[in-house]
Amino acid sequence: GAVVSQHPSRVICKSGTSVKIECRSLDFQATTMFWYRQFPKQSLMLMATSNEGSKATYEQGVEKDKFLINHASLTLSTLTVTSAHPEDSSFYICSAPYGGGGRVDTQYFGPGTRLTVL
Amino acid sequence: AQSVTQPDIHITVSEGASLELRCNYSYGATPYLFWYVQSPGQGLQLLLKYFSGDTLVQGIKGFEAEFKRSQSSFNLRKPSVHWSDAAEYFCAVGGNQGGKLIFGQGTELSVKP
Repeated sequence: GAVVSQHPSRVICKSGTSVKIECRSLDFQATTMFWYRQFPKQSLMLMATSNEGSKATYEQGVEKDKFLINHASLTLSTLTVTSAHPEDSSFYICSAPYGGGGRVDTQYFGPGTRLTVL
Repeated sequence: AQSVTQPDIHITVSEGASLELRCNYSYGATPYLFWYVQSPGQGLQLLLKYFSGDTLVQGIKGFEAEFKRSQSSFNLRKPSVHWSDAAEYFCAVGGNQGGKLIFGQGTELSVKP
């Protein structure tokens, strides 16, 4: 159990276009999911908390109009990078909390999406 | 301030040797502590976690970690390293169960044959 998937795994796009990344909890429901960004050889930086049925909560310094988050259902959150530029190229990872037995205590991570903006 | 420090950016050990990866945290409330492993281009896999109780926790792949409250540490250990253990290791701390995590900088482990 506790499998999180992401789609696509890799995406290359032209500067100025928008890209949507999906994060799904495959065998459990998640009212909250988290989106991280990771630069090469660096740690994960939390971008935002995705909340089912309400607006996402963004970390300080993250442009909410650029990184649109929609928690469409209890198993799906999407991150849309709008008007992407080369500096948005990065590895994006999502996570969802799950614990089993009614508990929600551990973050499980998706495999990540490599975004390259030309 | 809440933070996690992994003092070693890169560690190299010989296959079969023991391993200890250090993690120190600063957290204002009761910490929930995690170790994750990341292979290149992949997501993070949970190795083990500590919430309460026995301060020595066992994880997958033969890893264990010990919580020492007095030292604000949660070091990861393995008695005998395998070549497949080469990866990036992240220590993380969280508060409310299922809430957001604060990650350390990561330690890259290389394994010599």
